[in-house]
Amino acid sequence: DAGITQSPRHKVTETGTPVTLRCHQTENHRYMYWYRQDPGHGLRLIHYSYGVKDTDKGEVSDGYSVSRSKTEDFLLTLESATSSQTSVYFCAISPAGAEDNEQFFGPGTRLTVL
Amino acid sequence: AQSVTQLDSQVPVFEEAPVELRCNYSSSVSVYLFWYVQYPNQGLQLLLKYLSGSTLVKGINGFEAEFNKSQTSFHLRKPSVHISDTAEYFCALSQGGKLIFGQGTELSVKP
Repeated sequence: DAGITQSPRHKVTETGTPVTLRCHQTENHRYMYWYRQDPGHGLRLIHYSYGVKDTDKGEVSDGYSVSRSKTEDFLLTLESATSSQTSVYFCAISPAGAEDNEQFFGPGTRLTVL
Repeated sequence: AQSVTQLDSQVPVFEEAPVELRCNYSSSVSVYLFWYVQYPNQGLQLLLKYLSGSTLVKGINGFEAEFNKSQTSFHLRKPSVHISDTAEYFCALSQGGKLIFGQGTELSVKP
């Protein structure tokens, strides 16, 4: 298995509080991605990174920010959590952003915003 | 815009029966297509991918998929399923190195 960990694995928080999710990889892959998974929507890309301090928005980036200060860590922050951000969040990595590259997924973080 | 549609949200089958999970895509350019599987409470793992060449692609765990350009489809098949195949299956296409996923199909294999 690709060396990807996510923390925390489960979190319950209240509306309006800040939340940071961490993705850590040991593969030294250049590309890292954050997705959210919701019933009926599959996985949707929130943000991605193509190198240290290089990030870009995905399909559903509103309300989220990211940071990548080291190759191995990619942080996803909800500045002020809302109930609509209750979801399962997955991190993925890829050695290159090429069209034919497989992405490797972490175990997920289940976030509940009350 | 590119998109992926999985035609069935749930597919119940009996053990040892064949199964087909349907996926259609929309794209104006050549595509790379993927099938991922998600077992309960786990992340996604790659089953198979179509990049080019033979339109019949074989993957892990006895699954295969056929790329059909004229019908813009990439259906996943297995001739005989096991209880352990119970999972959610996602079809995806690659756009600019990013994956666009379908809505997912829950395969439920019953004894």
